[in-house]
Amino acid sequence: NAGVTQTPKFRVLKTGQSMTLLCAQDMNHEYMYWYRQDPGMGLRLIHYSVGEGTTAKGEVPDGYNVSRLKKQNFLLGLESAAPSQTSVYFCASSIDSRSGNTIYFGEGSWLTVV
Amino acid sequence: SQQGEEDPQALSIQEGENATMNCSYKTSINNLQWYRQNSGRGLVHLILIRSNEREKHSGRLRVTLDTSKKSSSLLITASRAADTASYFCASISSGSARQLTFGSGTQLTVLP
Repeated sequence: NAGVTQTPKFRVLKTGQSMTLLCAQDMNHEYMYWYRQDPGMGLRLIHYSVGEGTTAKGEVPDGYNVSRLKKQNFLLGLESAAPSQTSVYFCASSIDSRSGNTIYFGEGSWLTVV
Repeated sequence: SQQGEEDPQALSIQEGENATMNCSYKTSINNLQWYRQNSGRGLVHLILIRSNEREKHSGRLRVTLDTSKKSSSLLITASRAADTASYFCASISSGSARQLTFGSGTQLTVLP
């Protein structure tokens, strides 16, 4: 059982380049999330989705776009990467948002923007 | 702004000792969860405590919740070197059940 899988695991971008991070989950979860983790900052929610075809903004959405065309996939896009977007990105999923549902995380994607 | 803040930021103890980490949050919550993150890995769910609970146990883990002080603590008893990791509290606020908000974490080092 793969759980939550993120690709790529590592990427170096030049300022202004674009890229997409792919997240796939095989648990038939309705909710999916993208977080970024920076030193001393914990995890901050970028965008999330409550089901196929839906997306919503989190705490730090600027500079990112997302799409949930299929229930199992949640894509995070950077249209014009900036050095401030250097971070570790985590995708996560949960059955739904009800109190008590565990969130399952991927292993992370390390992005460096130079 | 972050919902939870952990204290201390870093903790170093000897194997066999107990480790206590504290978390404070700002608004009313539905539940509070603790996660563990090994270096270079994703977060793994450890334990959840609901707002109407005061204490919960799971193996060597003991979590308390004081809603009047908006704080929680995680106690790891009889620590092992393998417990070395970062520990995060996360909460779902009463007003926004869809967003799990994380604290900045406590880095625990257990020395063999």
